[in-house]
Amino acid sequence: GAVVSQHPSWVICKSGTSVKIECRSLDFQATTMFWYRQFPKQSLMLMATSNEGSKATYEQGVEKDKFLINHASLTLSTLTVTSAHPEDSSFYICSAVKATKDTQYFGPGTRLTVL
Amino acid sequence: SQQGEEDPQALSIQEGENATMNCSYKTSINNLQWYRQNSGRGLVHLILIRSNEREKHSGRLRVTLDTSKKSSSLLITASRAADTASYFCATDETGAQKLVFGQGTRLTINP
Repeated sequence: GAVVSQHPSWVICKSGTSVKIECRSLDFQATTMFWYRQFPKQSLMLMATSNEGSKATYEQGVEKDKFLINHASLTLSTLTVTSAHPEDSSFYICSAVKATKDTQYFGPGTRLTVL
Repeated sequence: SQQGEEDPQALSIQEGENATMNCSYKTSINNLQWYRQNSGRGLVHLILIRSNEREKHSGRLRVTLDTSKKSSSLLITASRAADTASYFCATDETGAQKLVFGQGTRLTINP
């Protein structure tokens, strides 16, 4: 199998605080991980692509200083939403691939609510 | 940016009927994939069809791909209430190594 987990599954925080979301590949090593954001009743929008040991590649319009991505190992990538505001409230989903151009395996998502 | 457009945006049918969803895209692709998402949950991978394939089956699912028209369709036969979900197509652009998702179709199966 190819299982990807995310933690936490949901989080509520106050405006101005930072929130870290973890994405783990449980039974495989992931060469690349992707972070997506999904607003209610909308599709997934790719935020960034991260490769282990290198800087993430952000999509146009995504602030890299606000959405910090750290891919420290082949099984873990983290997304930190810094100084979160209510407009950052969304469903954040990660995915991981075993090898280049392989199928992406998606995590269950993290629902972030900023008050 | 989103390159996929899905049609219809919402579909409501009776249990047992067939459901057809369409997806169009704009650029050259390596493959096209279909995913299902239940409300508030993660994505479930349904099927992948490569650019050199025209049709693929998996259980009650049938996917077609027409690269000349840059379109794909997902057919779910003999629908069940449990098929109620949002369905997304996603294209793997040539050389990009990233997925671009369509807007999705919200499918409701009425018992």
